[in-house]
Amino acid sequence: QVQLQESGPGLVKPSETLSLTCSVSGGSISDYYLSWIRQPPGKGLEWIGYIYYSGSTSYNPSLTSRVTISVDTSKKQFSLKLSSVTAADTAVYYCARQLSGHYYFDYWGQGTPVTVSS
Amino acid sequence: DIQMTQSPSSLSASVGDRVTITCRASQSISDYLNWYQQKPGKAPKLLIYATSRLQSGVPSRFSGSGSGTDFTLTISSLQPEDFATYCCQQNINTPYTFGQGTTLEIK
Repeated sequence: QVQLQESGPGLVKPSETLSLTCSVSGGSISDYYLSWIRQPPGKGLEWIGYIYYSGSTSYNPSLTSRVTISVDTSKKQFSLKLSSVTAADTAVYYCARQLSGHYYFDYWGQGTPVTVSS
Repeated sequence: DIQMTQSPSSLSASVGDRVTITCRASQSISDYLNWYQQKPGKAPKLLIYATSRLQSGVPSRFSGSGSGTDFTLTISSLQPEDFATYCCQQNINTPYTFGQGTTLEIK
């Protein structure tokens, strides 16, 4: 059974960099697109970007100047870095899997809340 | 970006009711439309992909239809566990975008 688990600090100061990790268990990550998606309190879902297991990426243009997504295939871990955060980046952050050739997110992590505050 | 607009934003219904939620895309997305269910404090769960294909393990009372820009999610007979928020999502182009959600409440 595939499982995704997000981890990282729950509190980040304004102007600093938010760093999260998504760890995958229960199978190979080859043929994976791994997306990061966030949900501000009381609001809808926003796609941040994805990385293919080979390393190619695509980012939301609204965030592209601040986002870096990377993968460590040996550890089956995906990372999200979001720089220069503000209160508007406060949200629950999810990682979600999309298999190559499949146009939907079939497995999600449980989500990790991140608050940006001094 | 492709904008996804859902209606209604909230809906009150009773157990056993048939309900329909609508999702409209700002441009044609063919059948690249997915539906997710989200309960408070939980991650979204995939219900339907490619407009009408039921994800494994999802009850058959859920169904989807549409094409191009207009799509619907129908629950044929509401069960107590169906009271949740539902959102649509397009996967034809990046940035992938979601509808704002429809909250289904018990009447």
